[in-house]
Amino acid sequence: ILNVEQSPQSLHVQEGDSTNFTCSFPSSNFYALHWYRWETAKSPEALFVMTLNGDEKKKGRISATLNTKEGYSYLYIKGSQPEDSATYLCASLGAAAGNKLTFGGGTRVLVKP
Amino acid sequence: DSGVTQTPKHLITATGQRVTLRCSPRSGDLSVYWYQQSLDQGLQFLIHYYNGEERAKGNILERFSAQQFPDLHSELNLSSLELGDSALYFCASSVAAAGNTGELFFGEGSRLTVL
Repeated sequence: ILNVEQSPQSLHVQEGDSTNFTCSFPSSNFYALHWYRWETAKSPEALFVMTLNGDEKKKGRISATLNTKEGYSYLYIKGSQPEDSATYLCASLGAAAGNKLTFGGGTRVLVKP
Repeated sequence: DSGVTQTPKHLITATGQRVTLRCSPRSGDLSVYWYQQSLDQGLQFLIHYYNGEERAKGNILERFSAQQFPDLHSELNLSSLELGDSALYFCASSVAAAGNTGELFFGEGSRLTVL
């Protein structure tokens, strides 16, 4: 994988349900994987920065895991709430992309009450 | 409030013109990044400066240039503007240099409309 890819592009979640989505990134010469939350009409805000294979991070109901050997990260939202509605961006930093922090296209999450 | 300030917030101009977008990073942050978000596109990396030096360059057009000044603020200059340059331009800052892992703090963006 040469680019950062996120799937799905969008998903609808019922309030109270849990969900997860994927970020795939180049695994060679990897430095870091970032997750950002981007609400409409606002700026992206950092959720996590992860560097180590097997790393898991948690912030409230949101958590993320990292597999640097195979080049993927999962973001989990437990018990989704309407305020979780946002676009979630991942970004990879590594030599494969010339040390540029490269963003994926995002996963747009809509939580329905 | 991320602490990153971008001006102007909105800008409308005509094709062929030149504009300058300005970014003041968070206090203490040495890295400044510029990203472009066009309609239906993700954040496209343009350029990264660290403490006044260019550290990484994306697919930035030759009509675009940037610099970071000694006081660490940065400017992105866009010239010979075309309709396709209409986009939201984000500046972000970080305490870290390239290869490090500091999170980015984003400004509110400058929305450029080229008519």
